[in-house]
Amino acid sequence: GAVVSQHPSWVICKSGTSVKIECRSLDFQATTMFWYRQFPKQSLMLMATSNEGSKATYEQGVEKDKFLINHASLTLSTLTVTSAHPEDSSFYICSARGQGAIYFGEGSWLTVV
Amino acid sequence: GENVEQHPSTLSVQEGDSAVIKCTYSDSASNYFPWYKQELGKRPQLIIDIRSNVGEKKDQRIAVTLNKTAKHFSLHITETQPEDSAVYFCAAGAGSYQLTFGKGTKLSVIP
Repeated sequence: GAVVSQHPSWVICKSGTSVKIECRSLDFQATTMFWYRQFPKQSLMLMATSNEGSKATYEQGVEKDKFLINHASLTLSTLTVTSAHPEDSSFYICSARGQGAIYFGEGSWLTVV
Repeated sequence: GENVEQHPSTLSVQEGDSAVIKCTYSDSASNYFPWYKQELGKRPQLIIDIRSNVGEKKDQRIAVTLNKTAKHFSLHITETQPEDSAVYFCAAGAGSYQLTFGKGTKLSVIP
């Protein structure tokens, strides 16, 4: 299957700071990527759809000014959590369409202290 | 929008028995139905998928069936093994593959 790589796997940051998570499609081009958030023992909740060269589409209830998404190339989308707070601590995971299916990155554990 | 219901939320089976997980969806425009297996702290792994022009698909011990009329699809795992223990998610999507996920089923295979 297609390979999606996400970095970093783990990040700890202080309250009030920003943190950037990268999602890369390694062996295919992805015009569309998706960002999810997953709480422990819960399902994947779509946060936003990242479109190459245009603005991301956010799901209802997701603050676009807090979760900045940039999809500047066909292989890279970034999620920046701005002014992070402890309640932003979660597992963030991206996905992209490749070879006719959706593949996920490894996910990023964010802990805000 | 799409709504995906998944049952059961937990499932325990004896090793060697079969496991069945069922999902229903609401949007008749959905035409792509993947199943993912997720182990704790890891990424969801695509295990099988089916498109709406197919009623059944099989890959070794795993099979998926789709009933478009009733808007439900199911995952069947035969001859279960301890390494099948994980959380399984169904999903439904269309077009650009923006997927809506079910809430997941925690499968435990008891040796």
